[in-house]
Amino acid sequence: DIQMTQSPSSVSASVGDRVTITCRASQDISTWLAWYQQKPGKAPKLLISAASSLQSGVPSRFSGSGSGTDFTLTISSLQPEDFATYYCLQANSFPFTFGQGTRLEIK
Amino acid sequence: QVQLVESGGGVVQPGWSLRLSCAASGFTFTSSGMHWVRQAPGKGLEWVAGISYDGINKYHSDSVKGRFTISRDNSNDKVYLQMNSLTAEDTAVYYCAKDQNTYGPPRGVDVWGQGTTVTVSS
Repeated sequence: DIQMTQSPSSVSASVGDRVTITCRASQDISTWLAWYQQKPGKAPKLLISAASSLQSGVPSRFSGSGSGTDFTLTISSLQPEDFATYYCLQANSFPFTFGQGTRLEIK
Repeated sequence: QVQLVESGGGVVQPGWSLRLSCAASGFTFTSSGMHWVRQAPGKGLEWVAGISYDGINKYHSDSVKGRFTISRDNSNDKVYLQMNSLTAEDTAVYYCAKDQNTYGPPRGVDVWGQGTTVTVSS
């Protein structure tokens, strides 16, 4: 099975800050990597698919990059509504696996 | 718009069975793979099972293999998760989710349902 190591597990930041979250796969997953945002009590929301493809309606301050084993989600200028938990998902092979999550908190 | 509505959750005792259902609408169901993902209280997301658009290929996580079975009814736009021999570790919100690929191998989740809660407790 492919293991996804996501870091950091939590981060405190202020509105306007730039934040970067990383996911590392235990083996090459090409660009079969997605990023999700989840707010308390809600279902996750897809932000980015195929490592760097921004979903329709998602603000352009979100961006994704990477291929192979190392991936990054960047939020260029944090807004109040961005404080949530973020997950990566590898969809290269079964079983699909999520990262452990990154909780983004207000400083 | 794309909509996924789960049902069938509840409170059951260890060892019991439960079948979750997911009704899909707003997209061509027969062209999309489907998944079940769960989230235990206060924990992260765990992919549980996936099924190809035609129902031929099924995949299950190691933690549920042999106990849970995913299936689909393309005539009624529904996907199911049959859960047997439930344990306390299966307590979670279960999400139905649509694969983002069409007419091809499953390649990730794009749309999620609102979830249904399963509690296993004596």
